[in-house]
Amino acid sequence: QELLVQSGSEVRKPGSSMKVSCQASGVSFSTYAIAWLRQAPGQGLEWIGGIIPIFGTANYAQKLQDRVTITADESVSSAYLELSNLRPEDTAVYYCARQIGGPAYRFDPWGQGTLITVSS
Amino acid sequence: DIQMTQSPSSLSASLGDRVTISCRASQDISKFLNWYQQKPGKAPKLIMYATSSLQSGVPSRFSGNGSGTDFTLIISSLQPDDCATYFCQQSYTTIFTFGPGTKVDLK
Repeated sequence: QELLVQSGSEVRKPGSSMKVSCQASGVSFSTYAIAWLRQAPGQGLEWIGGIIPIFGTANYAQKLQDRVTITADESVSSAYLELSNLRPEDTAVYYCARQIGGPAYRFDPWGQGTLITVSS
Repeated sequence: DIQMTQSPSSLSASLGDRVTISCRASQDISKFLNWYQQKPGKAPKLIMYATSSLQSGVPSRFSGNGSGTDFTLIISSLQPDDCATYFCQQSYTTIFTFGPGTKVDLK
């Protein structure tokens, strides 16, 4: 069974940082991109960025590129999302997803989501 | 970035009704359009990719069509399990963007 399992929910203070992990199980990890997306409460989906683990290079949405870092560790089939200088508007459920296809890229499967709450 | 819009934002339909959801892109995206289904508290699930290719395991009552800027997701006979929010997503560029969603429920 193809699974992406994410780390648990967290509460963070404004100005702090967060790091969310995403571990692949039964999913080919190194050769596909892993994308990170988020969904603010009651809102739509926003692509944050992605990484191809075998290459190790990431690309990011312009809106967040100054605060976001995506990394991967092939030895444990895991990808990581770090977001710094957190703001209340960063409160969202953060998802990882495998990016497949090409050129008709799509996201499948998805992790279960990690709720990050930014509050003082 | 390519902007995606959807209509309607929500709809109520009866069991067995044909349901149509529209998605429009701000520029030509050829057929690089995907659809996701999301139920409350769950992650989105891919149901259709490249406009009209049904994802494995998804019921055949779902279909998709369109090209360029205008796309449609069709549920031929609405079932209780189809009550969810549906998002379109373009992959014409690798700055991926999503529509705001269409919530479908039973009348």
